[in-house]
Amino acid sequence: QKEVEQNSGPLSVPEGAIASLNCTYSDRGSQSFFWYRQYSGKSPELIMFIYSNGDKEDGRFTAQLNKASQYVSLLIRDSQPSDSATYLCAVYNYGQNFVFGPGTRLSVLP
Amino acid sequence: ETGVTQTPRHLVMGMTNKKSLKCEQHLGHNAMYWYKQSAKKPLELMFVYSLEERVENNSVPSRFSPECPNSSHLFLHLHTLQPEDSALYLCASSQVRASGAYEQYFGPGTRLTVT
Repeated sequence: QKEVEQNSGPLSVPEGAIASLNCTYSDRGSQSFFWYRQYSGKSPELIMFIYSNGDKEDGRFTAQLNKASQYVSLLIRDSQPSDSATYLCAVYNYGQNFVFGPGTRLSVLP
Repeated sequence: ETGVTQTPRHLVMGMTNKKSLKCEQHLGHNAMYWYKQSAKKPLELMFVYSLEERVENNSVPSRFSPECPNSSHLFLHLHTLQPEDSALYLCASSQVRASGAYEQYFGPGTRLTVT
C-alpha cells in the first residue's frame, strides 16, 4: 500500500506569518509531486507542482522536495485569511497513479 | 468552455434509481479519473482511464460502472446505490507520460445524496 501522510491539523498561524505544511510518502519510485488547496465544499485547486529535488517558488508559495528523505513541503509566506483551507499533497508514480494525502487544515487568524 | 466540466452539480437519487454522472475535459489530456470524497476522508481514487487502459480500485462496488467513450468524455453510471455512497464525486484529467504525469485538474464535482 503506497501511502502519503500529512498532519491533519488544524494548523493555525497569524496573518502575515509563514505557514509550513509537510508531507511524506512511502514510494521511492514517485516521480511527480503536487500541492492542492481545497476550500470547504469545493474541488481541489492546483497550487504547485515539483519534479526535482530542491525548491520551487511561485509568488508567496514555495515547494520543497527531498527525494532521499521522501519529503515534500509547502511554505506560504505572508499568510492571508483567504489561505485558510485544506491543503492536499499528491504524489504520482507511473504504476500507481496519483495518491493523495488526507490533507492539512490551515487556519490563518486575522 | 474550458477546463474540466461535470454535470449534474447536484443529484438526489433513491436507492432503486439509475443515473449517470458526466465529465468532459477541454484540455487535450490523455487520462481521466473518477474520485470519491466523503466527509472528513481522503480523496479515494475509483477509476482511471489512461493511455487507453482502464485501471480500477478493487474496493469500488460494482454498483459503480465507468465508461470512457473517448479521451475527452467520462461517465460514471450509478445503480442501486446505498446511503453510504452519498459523497462528492470528482472528475479529473491529466497528461500522462512514461516518465511521470503533469498536474491533474479537477472538475467542480457532483454532490450526490442517496435517500
